[in-house]
Amino acid sequence: DIQMTQSPSSLSASVGDRVTITCRASQGISNSLAWYQQKPGKAPKLLLYAASRLESGVPSRFSGSGSGTDYTLTINSLQPEDFATYYCQQYYSTPRFGQGTKVEIK
Amino acid sequence: QVQLVQSGAEVKKPGASVKVSCKASGYTFTSYDINWVRQATGQGLEWMGWMNPNSGNTGYAQKFQGRVTMTRNTSISTTYMELSSLRSEDTAVYYCARGKPYGSGSYDAFDIWGQGTMVTVSS
Repeated sequence: DIQMTQSPSSLSASVGDRVTITCRASQGISNSLAWYQQKPGKAPKLLLYAASRLESGVPSRFSGSGSGTDYTLTINSLQPEDFATYYCQQYYSTPRFGQGTKVEIK
Repeated sequence: QVQLVQSGAEVKKPGASVKVSCKASGYTFTSYDINWVRQATGQGLEWMGWMNPNSGNTGYAQKFQGRVTMTRNTSISTTYMELSSLRSEDTAVYYCARGKPYGSGSYDAFDIWGQGTMVTVSS
């Protein structure tokens, strides 16, 4: 199984900040990487897939990058509705999620 | 609109089985895989397995092999996930999620999610 290590586990930020979350796979996953946003009591929402492709309807302040084993989610100009938990997921092999990053208000 | 609607909350005793349903609407049911993901309270997401509603083919995470069964009824666009020999550690919210085909890989990102079904295992 490919393990996913996501960091940080939590962060505090202010509205307007730029936020970066990273995910490292235990082996190369050829950009088979998705990012999700989850709010309390709700199902996860797909933000990006194939490492950098923005899902329809997702604001362009969300972007993804990376290759091989290392991937990044960037949120430019954090908005109040962006405070949530974010998960990466590799689907190169048996799907596995990162541990999550909780983005809190500073 | 495209959606997955799951069955309601369940309370089960240890050793029992639970069967959760996931009804698809707004798209061609047999054209997209359905995956099942669970989340214990305050914990992360755990993939359980997938089903191809067209062929009925399934694939399960090793952790759940022998305890999970995924089936479907194409006439009502519904997939089912049954988990047996329940224990307290199976208490979680169970989600179905549609696979988003892209590229040539065997697995997908998940673009449409059900609302979740809370399963509580308690004596």
